[in-house]
Amino acid sequence: GAVVSQHPSWVICKSGTSVKIECRSLDFQATTMFWYRQFPKQSLMLMATSNEGSKATYEQGVEKDKFLINHASLTLSTLTVTSAHPEDSSFYICSARDREGGVYEQYFGPGTRLTVT
Amino acid sequence: GQQVMQIPQYQHVQEGEDFTTYCNSSTTLSNIQWYKQRPGGHPVFLIQLVKSGEVKKQKRLTFQFGEAKKNSSLHITATQTTDVGTYFCAGRSSGYSTLTFGKGTMLLVSP
Repeated sequence: GAVVSQHPSWVICKSGTSVKIECRSLDFQATTMFWYRQFPKQSLMLMATSNEGSKATYEQGVEKDKFLINHASLTLSTLTVTSAHPEDSSFYICSARDREGGVYEQYFGPGTRLTVT
Repeated sequence: GQQVMQIPQYQHVQEGEDFTTYCNSSTTLSNIQWYKQRPGGHPVFLIQLVKSGEVKKQKRLTFQFGEAKKNSSLHITATQTTDVGTYFCAGRSSGYSTLTFGKGTMLLVSP
């Protein structure tokens, strides 16, 4: 099946620093990638949708200048959390939609747990 | 905007008992998907339902999509400890729209 990887799997950073999270589709091309955020024992909240070669579409309430998304190729999207604060600590999950497959399936990465101290 | 509600939030059963989680959408869905997330893990796709009234089975799991395409259910027969996790439904209003996730139902199974 389709595999999506994320790196790093966990990261601890100091308040005020920036963190970059990579999301890669390993065996398929993904024209669209999604970034979610999940707080403990809560559901996945869509942050933004990124299409290869174009600007990301952010959900209401998500600061685009704080959460920078770049979808430079059909297999890579990055999320950069700028000037991180403790309230940004969360589980960030990306998912990718297969370009060649049906329009319905999304494949999720393993997630990145961010802790801001 | 589209809302997807899921109940119950939490259920604790004894191994061998059945379990059902329900999902309701505020709008008609194009399709609905179900995911399972183990503690500490990421969501794993289980199934997709597209047709009105559709019923699909995966071993002990039975998935249903309502006639009006606004609700769905996941039923697990004779639960096992390996069924532990949070089950999410996620609905899509049209083929290319984004998924809207329910809040999930956390299932705990005691041996």
